[in-house]
Amino acid sequence: NAGVTQTPKFQVLKTGQSMTLQCAQDMNHEYMSWYRQDPGMGLRLIHYSVGAGITDQGEVPNGYNVSRSTTEDFPLRLLSAAPSQTSVYFCASSYGKGREIGGYTFGSGTRLTVV
Amino acid sequence: KQEVTQIPAALSVPEGENLVLNCSFTDSAIYNLQWFRQDPGKGLTSLLLIQSSQREQTSGRLNASLDKSSGRSTLYIAASQPGDSATYLCAVNYPGSQGNLIFGKGTKLSVKP
Repeated sequence: NAGVTQTPKFQVLKTGQSMTLQCAQDMNHEYMSWYRQDPGMGLRLIHYSVGAGITDQGEVPNGYNVSRSTTEDFPLRLLSAAPSQTSVYFCASSYGKGREIGGYTFGSGTRLTVV
Repeated sequence: KQEVTQIPAALSVPEGENLVLNCSFTDSAIYNLQWFRQDPGKGLTSLLLIQSSQREQTSGRLNASLDKSSGRSTLYIAASQPGDSATYLCAVNYPGSQGNLIFGKGTKLSVKP
C-alpha cells in the first residue's frame, strides 16, 4: 500500500500565485486533514474532512481552501500565496472519526517557500 | 482549551540508556492519545495509540503509559540506540475535536554511540 501520498515534495511560489497541494490515500480512510508545521509553533490544523463531501476549518484556515469530492483525495488550495505561508505541509488520514479515530497516517510532506 | 506540553524540548543520552519522555495535557477528558516519531525532513510515524480506558501500550522497546487523572503520559524507550534519534511528539483526541489531534511541540532525542 502507498499510504498517504503528497505531491509535490518541494515548491517555490511567488507572492500572489496560487497552487494546489495534492493528497491521496489508498486506505479507504474516512478522516483526512491538513497540518502545517513551523519552527517553534508545532503542528497546526488547517482544514479537515470526516468524509466525502464534508469539510471544516481548523485552527489556521485563512488563505486556504479544501474540497473532498472522493474518499481518496483531499487537495489543499492556496488562493494567493503570502510569505507567511512558507511552511512544511502535512496531510494525514485515519480510520474512524471523532471518538473512534484511530492511528494517524501522515504523508511525507510538502516544503513550500513563498518569496 | 486543550493544550499539550512536552518536556524537555531536547534530550541527549548515551547509547544503551533507558529513557522516559513526558507529555502532559490540560484537560483530562480525552478519548485517546498517540505518540509519533518524526525524523528530520520526514513525515510523522505513529508509534502507539492509547485509548482513554487503557493504562499502557507496548510495542517492542517502546512502552507508553497514560494517567488521565493527572493529565500525563510517558513514553519509555528501553536500551536506546542511535537509530532512536528523532523528534517524538504526543497528541490527544478529545471531546468536541471531531477526531482532530492537538499536538505537543515534541522532544528532540539524540542517542550518542
